[in-house]
Amino acid sequence: DTGVSQDPRHKITKRGQNVTFRCDPISEHNRLYWYRQTLGQGPEFLTYFQNEAQLEKSRLLSDRFSAERPKGSFSTLEIQRTEQGDSAMYLCASSLKRNEQFFGPGTRLTVL
Amino acid sequence: ELKVEQNPLFLSMQEGKNYTIYCNYSTTSDRLYWYRQDPGKSLESLFVLLSNGAVKQEGRLMASLDTKARLSTLHITAAVHDLSATYFCAVDKLGFGNEKLTFGTGTRLTIIP
Repeated sequence: DTGVSQDPRHKITKRGQNVTFRCDPISEHNRLYWYRQTLGQGPEFLTYFQNEAQLEKSRLLSDRFSAERPKGSFSTLEIQRTEQGDSAMYLCASSLKRNEQFFGPGTRLTVL
Repeated sequence: ELKVEQNPLFLSMQEGKNYTIYCNYSTTSDRLYWYRQDPGKSLESLFVLLSNGAVKQEGRLMASLDTKARLSTLHITAAVHDLSATYFCAVDKLGFGNEKLTFGTGTRLTIIP
């Protein structure tokens, strides 16, 4: 399967713990995006990379959130000191330049 | 700030009926997308509309775009149960600082046998 993959698919954690998610984009796609979707809402943009450069961050991305794409391939999204409000589906998407974005299966985070 | 509104938010319809979902956006945009999402799943791309008057059809779904009115519609013809899902529209505007999708709140469609 050559689509966008995300790992893990589900994560349950206790408040205050750190979590890290991984996204592997479609090979050759130079752009990678992170979105967050809470229950009953549409996805909201968090950040995006072009190759290894992080070009835009949303105001939703508090200091507890950090994203990296060190070699311009896979990306990680880390949330430190998780809060119950962080519970959501975290979606990753990739695109070739400014072409259509393709979404991964998502990581569902539950903070207890 | 770009805003996208969909209506209705919830739609319950009988099999065999026709209906339309509306998507309005607040400022000029370059591309408009329709996605389908099943419960607990990711987004499935349905249509990408690029220009005024664009119309695309796939099976029982047809999407259209009126850029002057900043309006897109998703028309469902002779609905079947398999179309039950949440449908999102999204827009983007090319250019530095706008390289992201802005989504509507979604329309949760339930087809009743």
